[in-house]
Amino acid sequence: DTEVTQTPKHLVMGMTNKKSLKCEQHMGHRAMYWYKQKAKKPPELMFVYSYEKLSINESVPSRFSPECPNSSLLNLHLHALQPEDSALYLCASSQFGGGITDTQYFGPGTRLTVL
Amino acid sequence: RKEVEQDPGPFNVPEGATVAFNCTYSNSASQSFFWYRQDCRKEPKLLMSVYSSGNEDGRFTAQLNRASQYISLLIRDSKLSDSATYLCVVNERNTGKLIFGQGTTLQVKP
Repeated sequence: DTEVTQTPKHLVMGMTNKKSLKCEQHMGHRAMYWYKQKAKKPPELMFVYSYEKLSINESVPSRFSPECPNSSLLNLHLHALQPEDSALYLCASSQFGGGITDTQYFGPGTRLTVL
Repeated sequence: RKEVEQDPGPFNVPEGATVAFNCTYSNSASQSFFWYRQDCRKEPKLLMSVYSSGNEDGRFTAQLNRASQYISLLIRDSKLSDSATYLCVVNERNTGKLIFGQGTTLQVKP
């Protein structure tokens, strides 16, 4: 089973709202990732958690705040977003967070619209 | 120079055709290589990992040439359902960070 789940599927929010995206995996993977994808572009890495610790932050604005409550869960807290933050937000997980055989599996994404 | 380069296409081919996609990468220390498939408004899905010896999965064959830093994907007997964007992906050594190409769009027509 290579399933990563994400909620909600769609989210519309105003620039003053606070919302959270959730991601869950039950594959025993120890690394989890947040990506942002705009139309007709490849995914862009935002954050990496490895063994529940933040290991990579790709200079993401502070209005995006990741949280890893445990090895199966990953949240992305959103506050004071801008319309240009509208995108598909993808979560992924992998067994180790690096290494020659490590493979990332993606969730279905949350399509976010900021008004 | 982009770290992973692909021809964006689109490749428009008839059903039953054989089509090949190519990809080059710039970091010679890269250690893992993948092809992902992404349908419109969906998530990327792993199609194949790519190994130096080459590997085949049904109608799909992937090859890696480390000396030339070149990765290929061959699709034989194309089906309408193969229409998608194919992403060439390289795993940055040790960090787990994936470097994506821009993707190649394939449209298979009846």
